[in-house]
Amino acid sequence: NAGVTQTPKFQVLKTGQSMTLQCAQDMNHNSMYWYRQDPGMGLRLIYYSASEGTTDKGEVPNGYNVSRLNKREFSLRLESAAPSQTSVYFCASSEIKAPNQPQHFGDGTRLSIL
Amino acid sequence: QKEVEQNSGPLSVPEGAIASLNCTYSDRVSQSFFWYRQYSGKSPELIMSIYSNGDKEDGRFTAQLNKASQYVSLLIRDSQPSDSATYLCASTAGTALIFGKGTTLSVSS
Repeated sequence: NAGVTQTPKFQVLKTGQSMTLQCAQDMNHNSMYWYRQDPGMGLRLIYYSASEGTTDKGEVPNGYNVSRLNKREFSLRLESAAPSQTSVYFCASSEIKAPNQPQHFGDGTRLSIL
Repeated sequence: QKEVEQNSGPLSVPEGAIASLNCTYSDRVSQSFFWYRQYSGKSPELIMSIYSNGDKEDGRFTAQLNKASQYVSLLIRDSQPSDSATYLCASTAGTALIFGKGTTLSVSS
């Protein structure tokens, strides 16, 4: 039972390079999310997808794009990486029910941009 | 702007004591609240959900919710060194969650 799987786990990029972070979930959840976590800043939402075919901006979307490829997969793309995007990136998924259901997180991608 | 606030700590307690972690939230319409535990270098792990006023107990953990005061707390009884981690409080904002910055708990043996 894998849950939420993120690839890669670690990556080093040079400024200006592009990169796609992959996320897949096997829990049949409708909603998926991308966060970044920086020291002292907590978890900040980058983009989310409430359901297949929809995406919305979160708190810190600038410099990122997303694709909800199908119900299982939600990717995050950095088109031109900047040192300020050095962070730990977490993907999460949840089921939409009333009341809101908790989110389940992947193991994270540790991204360094030089 | 919707916010969730937590004392960053560190909160230090001796082994066997009760650890009390607190959280306030700004959005009055939030309906669901969660506590996550995050060990250093790991991903957040859900430990408690609470949806209605009052207390909810699960093993050594008790979550408390007071919607009138917009206050959520987590009590950890018989604290163990393995409970040393950062605890994140989260509340709902539509289909997304807003997270606090976390409280670091240190349990000394």
